[in-house]
Amino acid sequence: KAGVTQTPRYLIKTRGQQVTLSCSPISGHRSVSWYQQTPGQGLQFLFEYFSETQRNKGNFPGRFSGRQFSNSRSEMNVSTLELGDSALYLCASTPDRNTEAFFGQGTRLTVV
Amino acid sequence: GEDVEQSLFLSVREGDSSVINCTYTDSSSTYLYWYKQEPGAGLQLLTYIFSNMDMKQDQRLTVLLNKKDKHLSLRIADTQTGDSAIYFCAEIPEDTGGFKTIFGAGTRLFVKA
Repeated sequence: KAGVTQTPRYLIKTRGQQVTLSCSPISGHRSVSWYQQTPGQGLQFLFEYFSETQRNKGNFPGRFSGRQFSNSRSEMNVSTLELGDSALYLCASTPDRNTEAFFGQGTRLTVV
Repeated sequence: GEDVEQSLFLSVREGDSSVINCTYTDSSSTYLYWYKQEPGAGLQLLTYIFSNMDMKQDQRLTVLLNKKDKHLSLRIADTQTGDSAIYFCAEIPEDTGGFKTIFGAGTRLFVKA
């Protein structure tokens, strides 16, 4: 069974641009969550999607958005990029309630 | 509230035991988890404990849970240089529908040869 796949692995963008990151969950997993990891803030929850609906949301500005498609693949978008958005963005998929989250390798975004 | 706290750094000598501590606030979580993150990689589940257990042992790993104090610890026996990584404590509060994992900031374990 293939693991969680995130693309691209690395991205460099300039301030003010927007970016879209992609996550393909493990087959059969319907819940997809996104996290931002920075050295200063640790692992911060962005949002969680289930059956194309956002069910949980973290404390991030509206520049951060996401969506989930009918095949459970998810994308997250960050508009008007700021230097502070530089981070490792991790996606995780879950098969059921209260079970472990399976993580992708992450997308490392650098904003210059 | 949702908050998981961990100390940020731990340094041990190879062969010693490592103990990583964590406190959490939401007592509704059915399971509590320990994840490991090696450099340049995503997180991998290391072990977990059911909330009605006090202890779980899995080879070199021992998880202790004090539900009254909301304290969780991970002990790694005979720590090896390959154990150097960031360790995250995590819970899944029931009031988030059981799908939102709350992580601590992570404890960076340094193992000195």
